Amino acid sequence: SQTIHQWPATLVQPVGSPLSLECTVEGTSNPNLYWYRQAAGRGLQLLFYSVGIGQISSEVPQNLSASRPQDRQFILSSKKLLLSDSGFYLCAWYPGGRATGELFFGEGSRLTVL
Amino acid sequence: KQEVTQIPAALSVPEGENLVLNCSFTDSAIYNLQWFRQDPGKGLTSLLLIQSSQREQTSGRLNASLDKSSGRSTLYIAASQPGDSATYLCGLTTDSWGKLQFGAGTQVVVTP
Repeated sequence: SQTIHQWPATLVQPVGSPLSLECTVEGTSNPNLYWYRQAAGRGLQLLFYSVGIGQISSEVPQNLSASRPQDRQFILSSKKLLLSDSGFYLCAWYPGGRATGELFFGEGSRLTVL
Repeated sequence: KQEVTQIPAALSVPEGENLVLNCSFTDSAIYNLQWFRQDPGKGLTSLLLIQSSQREQTSGRLNASLDKSSGRSTLYIAASQPGDSATYLCGLTTDSWGKLQFGAGTQVVVTP
């Protein structure tokens, strides 16, 4: 069966520090991968998605970047965090290609920037 | 531009009552619609997926309907239990790339 892992689960970072959140999927190949952010009072917002290794699409301009160095690994990064980067970050996967399947989410990483 | 709305934002019902959760959208050209449950501090758990050619899906006590012409989906939870307390989110895609656009969610409390 397929599983998705995110880490770290919680982190507190000072403004201006770097960030790296990691997401891996097991039990599938060539998934579409997604990073969403859930900020207080703002709902879920799609940040990035990827349909393959090295292929990243950004949905909103921001202080963050994403990379996909391996088929089932998706990384969210920042060189210098802002207060506004605080939120709950969720990784999700979707069957590769033009499938009509469900989107599955990880347990999330809660980021607090102080 | 597609907009997804969930009303009410919060709902409290006594145990045993049926729950009716609404999701409306402005553009009927959707690819599929998915209902999720989110417990506090947790990720999203998929409940039901309705593809654009379908009108409803059922799983146990859950039933979701889709009416594209009126821009509405409804999630019914029969005989609610305290364990059903959570936030329920609907998300939809407008293409096959799986990019979900979400409503703000309905927070449900089922009281014993």
